[in-house]
Amino acid sequence: GENVEQHPSTLSVQEGDSAVIKCTYSDSASNYFPWYKQELGKGPQLIIDIRSNVGEKKDQRIAVTLNKTAKHFSLHITETQPEDSAVYFCAASKNDYKLSFGAGTTVTVRA
Amino acid sequence: KAGVTQTPRYLIKTRGQQVTLSCSPISGHRSVSWYQQTPGQGLQFLFEYFSETQRNKGNFPGRFSGRQFSNSRSEMNVSTLELGDSALYLCASSVTSGGTDTQYFGPGTRLTVL
Repeated sequence: GENVEQHPSTLSVQEGDSAVIKCTYSDSASNYFPWYKQELGKGPQLIIDIRSNVGEKKDQRIAVTLNKTAKHFSLHITETQPEDSAVYFCAASKNDYKLSFGAGTTVTVRA
Repeated sequence: KAGVTQTPRYLIKTRGQQVTLSCSPISGHRSVSWYQQTPGQGLQFLFEYFSETQRNKGNFPGRFSGRQFSNSRSEMNVSTLELGDSALYLCASSVTSGGTDTQYFGPGTRLTVL
């Protein structure tokens, strides 16, 4: 099955700086790559996603890049704010409804 | 539009018992997926239902089962509970739009097995 590795496991950044989280996947048939943010006591919330026919996608301060040849994708958060502190998960799928998740990255934004 | 709702939010059971968790998808969503989240194993796919049919299943023992009703609401059942079944159980619903699906998660049911 699909194996998704996510790095780093923890990330501490100064408010206003950028944060980058990287993921690699194993199954070349995967074509859908969502990113979720999970706050304490809540379920994962979709923040951005990308499909294999697109190399980069941006939504305000959040961007995702995809390199299908290398089988890796990354999340970029610019101008980080305290409310960006949470656990972030990457995922990969080849059929949309069965997601394989990375282990998560705990992001702390220092004021 | 209301989000995915899961009941109950918290549950405490003892080993050997069985438990049933419920999920109500977002209105209009016909696909419901279930995931188990634990500190050690992370988020793992259990199964997915569409139009009352299980379309895909993860690598969990037969003690884990589910079903979906005609109104798209779904339940999952765990029989003969083990300590290792303690986890956050998440339900996600999705609808096909433009040929693609996006999953939206509920808040989860926190199951503790004593």
